[in-house]
Amino acid sequence: EAQVTQNPRYLITVTGKKLTVTCSQNMNHEYMSWYRQDPGLGLRQIYYSMNVEVTDKGDVPEGYKVSRKEKRNFPLILESPSPNQTSLYFCASSLTQLYQETQYFGPGTRLLVL
Amino acid sequence: SQQGEEDPQALSIQEGENATMNCSYKTSINNLQWYRQNSGRGLVHLILIRSNEREKHSGRLRVTLDTSKKSSSLLITASRAADTASYFCATDARSGANSKLTFGKGITLSVRP
Repeated sequence: EAQVTQNPRYLITVTGKKLTVTCSQNMNHEYMSWYRQDPGLGLRQIYYSMNVEVTDKGDVPEGYKVSRKEKRNFPLILESPSPNQTSLYFCASSLTQLYQETQYFGPGTRLLVL
Repeated sequence: SQQGEEDPQALSIQEGENATMNCSYKTSINNLQWYRQNSGRGLVHLILIRSNEREKHSGRLRVTLDTSKKSSSLLITASRAADTASYFCATDARSGANSKLTFGKGITLSVRP
């Protein structure tokens, strides 16, 4: 089954404790991205990757890091989480960036930073 | 930056009625897409309409695009309780060799049984 998976689905952590949210897709997609969703603000793109070893900032990259060492995986790293990073996070992928026919979304990771 | 702006922000209708949702955007686009999100879950792609298309259908969905007015509408006919969800428009705007998908803030649709 074609899908995007994220782990963990729920996470409660404390300020400053490094965490990683994993994202994996099984569709051989080149393009992957991370979004955060906040009430009243909709979805905002954090980082995206056009292919292996190619990443770039989205609209709200501050406080986040990503890596793309393999085509299927695109982890989101919070080196020192802060309460304003409490949010619902989505990973998404599409075949290529130039032809964003459809973005496939993961189920989401709900993060609470205390 | 937010490009697509949906209207209304919330819509409540009776089962069987039609639901119309609108999206306006600011810059030229390659295509416009509509997504649905059930509460707390990932977004699901519904339909894509290209900039050179004016209308598209998929089952009970009808999407129109007016590039002169920079607006799109999503019509769900004969709504069902299961259509209760948030709906987002997303615009795909090209910048050089790259294209960027930008989501609006969403419309909350409630369909009363």
